[in-house]
Amino acid sequence: NAGVTQTPKFQVLKTGQSMTLQCAQDMNHNSMYWYRQDPGMGLRLIYYSASEGTTDKGEVPNGYNVSRLNKREFSLRLESAAPSQTSVYFCASNILSTNEKLFFGSGTQLSVL
Amino acid sequence: GEDVEQSLFLSVREGDSSVINCTYTDSSSTYLYWYKQEPGAGLQLLTYIFSNMDMKQDQRLTVLLNKKDKHLSLRIADTQTGDSAIYFCAENDNAGNNRKLIWGLGTSLAVNP
Repeated sequence: NAGVTQTPKFQVLKTGQSMTLQCAQDMNHNSMYWYRQDPGMGLRLIYYSASEGTTDKGEVPNGYNVSRLNKREFSLRLESAAPSQTSVYFCASNILSTNEKLFFGSGTQLSVL
Repeated sequence: GEDVEQSLFLSVREGDSSVINCTYTDSSSTYLYWYKQEPGAGLQLLTYIFSNMDMKQDQRLTVLLNKKDKHLSLRIADTQTGDSAIYFCAENDNAGNNRKLIWGLGTSLAVNP
C-alpha cells in the first residue's frame, strides 16, 4: 500500500519562482492537510481540506495556495517563492477531520535561494 | 494560547527504559498523541490516549496522563537502537478536531549501544 505519496522529495528554487507540491493518498480518506516543519518551530498547519471540494486556511497560509483536485489529490502551490519558505513540507490525510490518526507522507525538502 | 512543551533531547543506553515527557495547556483536549519521526521520513502515529484515561499500555509503550498537572509521558521499555527518532507530543481541541492539533517541538531520542 502506497499510503500518502508526495512529490518531489527535494527541490531547490530561486526567489520568485513558482512551483507546486503534489500529494496523493490511496486510502479513500476524506481529509487532507499540508504542514511545514522548521527547526525550533515544530509542525505548523498551512492549509487543510476537510472533504473534497473544500479548503481552509491553517496557521500559516500566507504565500501559499491549495487545490483539492479530487478526493485523492491535494496540491500546494508557491506562487512566488521566498527564502522564508525554505522548509520541509508534509502532506497528511485521515478519514475524517475528527479522526485521531493522521497518515503522513515522507516530506518534500524545499530550499529557496 | 494553547501550548505543548517537550524537552528537546534524551539519550539512553540500549536496553534501558526511556521516558519522554510533555506538558500541555488546553485542559479541554479530548485526545493526546505521540507521533514518531524517523530520519528522512514523515510522522507516524505511535499511540494515543483519551483524556478520560490515566494510562494506556501497548506492548513496550506505556502512556501516562496526569490531567491535574496537564502532564503526559511516554515510556518505552527495553529501548532499542531502532527507537532512535524524534517523538512528538500533540493535543487536539475538545471537538476532536484534527485541524487544531497543537504540536510540541519534538524530543530527539538517541539510543546508545
